[in-house]
Amino acid sequence: DAGITQSPRYKITETGRQVTLMCHQTWSHSYMFWYRQDLGHGLRLIYYSAAADITDKGEVPDGYVVSRSKTENFPLTLESATRSQTSVYFCASSEREEGTYEQYFGPGTRLTVT
Amino acid sequence: KNEVEQSPQNLTAQEGEFITINCSYSVGISALHWLQQHPGGGIVSLFMLSSGKKKHGRLIATINIQEKHSSLHITASHPRDSAVYICAVRIQGAQKLVFGQGTRLTINP
Repeated sequence: DAGITQSPRYKITETGRQVTLMCHQTWSHSYMFWYRQDLGHGLRLIYYSAAADITDKGEVPDGYVVSRSKTENFPLTLESATRSQTSVYFCASSEREEGTYEQYFGPGTRLTVT
Repeated sequence: KNEVEQSPQNLTAQEGEFITINCSYSVGISALHWLQQHPGGGIVSLFMLSSGKKKHGRLIATINIQEKHSSLHITASHPRDSAVYICAVRIQGAQKLVFGQGTRLTINP
């Protein structure tokens, strides 16, 4: 299907486990982003990528790892999940980051760390 | 102080009312986005503005760059407009969007 997809949509994991959230887009957009959304904080940028093999930290990168070996995929890994990482995670993509290009958001992944 | 402030945080109105949601920002920007998020749902881009005014159906977005202020208006509001509306700005020279806290809108029939 065309667009931007995330998997899984819901995930429950235990503290200390490694978890990978997947993001896939079919538009060949250069830029991809990972955000987390928490009550009282709104959306916050975790990591972003300008192109394959180019990634950079956002506002809240600690505890997360990203990679981008292919333009269409941007997985987010929690190496050792903590309860504070319980959140809703949104992936987004845009054609270009500079200028006035829109970001398109995935449906979100609701992650619970117990 | 947040770089992007929205008001009000919560808004309840009756069907048919004219709705205004405000967004103020304190930095130079290259663009401003209005996003909509339904309960339990994803995030949809409504408008992207760098100047002036845009209209899509019953939704109107305006921006005043000099005053660092934007408004989102909904005419003839309907219960299906109930959602969280989020303002986000792209800071000049920076590589990220900065988001407001969102405005939770409830339209009662």
